[in-house]
Amino acid sequence: DSGVTQTPKHLITATGQRVTLRCSPRSGDLSVYWYQQSLDQGLQFLIQYYNGEERAKGNILERFSAQQFPDLHSELNLSSLELGDSALYFCASSVQVNGSPLHFGNGTRLTVT
Amino acid sequence: ELKVEQNPLFLSMQEGKNYTIYCNYSTTSDRLYWYRQDPGKSLESLFVLLSNGAVKQEGRLMASLDTKARLSTLHITAAVHDLSATYFCAAENSGNTPLVFGKGTRLSVIA
Repeated sequence: DSGVTQTPKHLITATGQRVTLRCSPRSGDLSVYWYQQSLDQGLQFLIQYYNGEERAKGNILERFSAQQFPDLHSELNLSSLELGDSALYFCASSVQVNGSPLHFGNGTRLTVT
Repeated sequence: ELKVEQNPLFLSMQEGKNYTIYCNYSTTSDRLYWYRQDPGKSLESLFVLLSNGAVKQEGRLMASLDTKARLSTLHITAAVHDLSATYFCAAENSGNTPLVFGKGTRLSVIA
């Protein structure tokens, strides 16, 4: 158990809808990362937060947004969902802003129908 | 832009055999990580390699790093079925850029 908690585990929704994925980092970790894993694209970095502030942005679509709250949990919001957004979304956390190993949650499997 | 390439992407090997997975990265990297992922599961950290010539071993897995060649290897010794999984390498360079992952090597160990 990595100590990173993601909810829900599974999510099935229709195109055009909006969903929110939730992540609680390991105790003591200040940095939270979101990754998208799909069969054809592999693991793609979406966005990173450190102690409530956005630190780095990757291949995140404009339809997607995220935030990290004062208690350090993070939410990833996906809107106007398309079939191609179906993927496994991982949250990871680390102690530092960079240079320390990432600890991954169990992921949220999103299916858009 | 840091890019990470792994090969092979698929590997089927017999129990008891040895094999190596290769990980090349395109620009200077401060750290190199290896992760394991079982089907439908999360990623588990295996090794962190911090400097040129670093070698780490855990059971039948040994990882090494050659920063001059921008190459890391994951060597599997006397494979067993329990090693069947997807193995990812990931590189990180200085600054605020998070880990960049390779596409993963799906390893299947067969009797």
